[in-house]
Amino acid sequence: SQTIHQWPATLVQPVGSPLSLECTVEGTSNPNLYWYRQAAGRGLQLLFYSVGIGQISSEVPQNLSASRPQDRQFILSSKKLLLSDSGFYLCAWTFGVWTDTQYFGPGTRLTVL
Amino acid sequence: DAKTTQPPSMDCAEGRAANLPCNHSTISGNEYVYWYRQIHSQGPQYIIHGLKNNETNEMASLIITEDRKSSTLILPHATLRDTAVYYCIVRVHTDKLIFGTGTRLQVFP
Repeated sequence: SQTIHQWPATLVQPVGSPLSLECTVEGTSNPNLYWYRQAAGRGLQLLFYSVGIGQISSEVPQNLSASRPQDRQFILSSKKLLLSDSGFYLCAWTFGVWTDTQYFGPGTRLTVL
Repeated sequence: DAKTTQPPSMDCAEGRAANLPCNHSTISGNEYVYWYRQIHSQGPQYIIHGLKNNETNEMASLIITEDRKSSTLILPHATLRDTAVYYCIVRVHTDKLIFGTGTRLQVFP
């Protein structure tokens, strides 16, 4: 069976510091991967998606970036965090781009102070 | 833009059926109705989806009206662990998932 991991589970970072969140999927090959953010009390906002190694599509222009160095690894990064970057970051995967149900990871709760 | 309308919150007694409504009056012929839920501090969990016919799985039933302008997610015997935010999403299979604010279901003892 497939499983999706995210770490860290929680993170507290100062404004201006860098960020690196990691997501890995087990039990499948060539997954499509997604990063979402959920601000407190809000719905999910799609940030990035990837259909393959090195292929990243950005949905929202901001100070975040994503990379996919390996087939089942998806990384969300920032060079300098803003207060507004606080939120719950979720990674998800599907077999096909948008064509299947999305399975979400446990999430990373980021607080920027 | 969200294509669905859901009540912001609902209560349900434990052991009773929870019926969560969703309006999607502008749904097009090739759009599916998906339901996800998000338990506090966890990632969303897929529940069920359907196009025209009613659907049932081990988690829930989905009832879609004949004109497809609304639907109801039914949790037949709600438990405390079903307390969550429930999202109704309308999409073509090739579209992105767009989450609205959902319905916060509170199951009480």
